[in-house]
Amino acid sequence: QTVVTQEPSFSVSPGGTVTLTCGLSSGSVSTSNYPSWYQQTPGQSPRTLIYSTNSRPSGVPDRFSGSILGNKAALTITGAQAEDESDYFCFLYVGSDRVFGGGTRLTVL
Amino acid sequence: EVQLVESGGGLVQPGGSLRLSCAASGFRISRYEMNWVRQAPGKGLQWVSYIDSSGTPISYADSLQGRFILSRDNAKNSLYLQVNSLRDEDTAVYYCVREVRRNFDSWGRGTLVTVSS
Repeated sequence: QTVVTQEPSFSVSPGGTVTLTCGLSSGSVSTSNYPSWYQQTPGQSPRTLIYSTNSRPSGVPDRFSGSILGNKAALTITGAQAEDESDYFCFLYVGSDRVFGGGTRLTVL
Repeated sequence: EVQLVESGGGLVQPGGSLRLSCAASGFRISRYEMNWVRQAPGKGLQWVSYIDSSGTPISYADSLQGRFILSRDNAKNSLYLQVNSLRDEDTAVYYCVREVRRNFDSWGRGTLVTVSS
């Protein structure tokens, strides 16, 4: 069974930079897993921040960026703002499996 | 404007069944890959099922053990999820999601399924 790992929680100061990661319980994440990142605020449906490792849909602020760092996918927020306080979920294609990570709750304070 | 509207959720007893629907507008579902994703109360997202734009393949999360069936009606521009032998752990909001180039680019607001006696 494929397990995708994320930090359960993280905090960042307003204006600060934070990097959330997305790993595999066995193996490394690569661009072939087409990592994507979704942001969800309470009571709302998720929205895409990053897809295919580092592609950003129109309308997503450029303070959000995606990459591969070592053996994990990464979402970096540069210059965090109060409205970035949300849950963040990564998603990977692993062979024929499609798997979400458990999510990271980001606090901005 | 792309819109996905789910319906069909509700309260059901353990062992029961429901048919969830997703009505699409602003695009033709026959031209897109589509998914169902669910979220238990206070929990994370779980991918449930996928259908290719051609109608095949259809795939499911292994943990569902064959209890769920995804189908599509191109004439009605709608997607369906038949959920059978429901268990407490199936309680969740079920989202209909469009996929474009490995991006879940459009989500509905979801329909809540509550499994309880």
